[in-house]
Amino acid sequence: EAQVTQNPRYLITVTGKKLTVTCSQNMNHEYMSWYRQDPGLGLRQIYYSMNVEVTDKGDVPEGYKVSRKEKRNFPLILESPSPNQTSLYFCASGRGVWTDTQYFGPGTRLTVL
Amino acid sequence: DAKTTQPTSMDCAEGRAANLPCNHSTISGNEYVYWYRQIHSQGPQYIIHGLKNNETNEMASLIITEDRKSSTLILPHATLRDTAVYYCIVRVTGGGNKLTFGTGTQLKVEL
Repeated sequence: EAQVTQNPRYLITVTGKKLTVTCSQNMNHEYMSWYRQDPGLGLRQIYYSMNVEVTDKGDVPEGYKVSRKEKRNFPLILESPSPNQTSLYFCASGRGVWTDTQYFGPGTRLTVL
Repeated sequence: DAKTTQPTSMDCAEGRAANLPCNHSTISGNEYVYWYRQIHSQGPQYIIHGLKNNETNEMASLIITEDRKSSTLILPHATLRDTAVYYCIVRVTGGGNKLTFGTGTQLKVEL
């Protein structure tokens, strides 16, 4: 089954404790992206990757890192999480053509205390 | 980037057609109109997209006005499972394939 998977689905952590949210897709997509969703602010793009070893900032990249060492994986790294990063995070993938559809993962609900 | 305007909420009776409007009066000639939906905190789901012609797939129909300044998403026979937030998005050209989600329309399908 074609899908985007994220782990963990739920995470409660404390300020400053490094964490990684994994994202994996099995559709051989070149494009992958991370969004965060907050009440009243909608979904905002954090980082995206057009291909392996190619990443770029989205609208709200501060406090986040990403890497794209393999085509299927695009982990989101929070080196020193803060409470304002409490949010619902979505990973998405697509073929890379800008007119193409994007497929979203199920989401990761992160709480930083 | 063309901005979109959608009603905040709409109700629809189950089995009836749900018609969700979207205004995008500043759309450029090469920008597509996309519709996604999000069922309560799940990942957004692609529905349909179009440039200027009307489009239909197994989920919905998309009607785009001739001047392309507005469009309507039609769910022909809404069910309770169609209750969701529906986002009308005008696709950004370049910019990392970003989808810019607005606040969308909360569609509530009721018995």
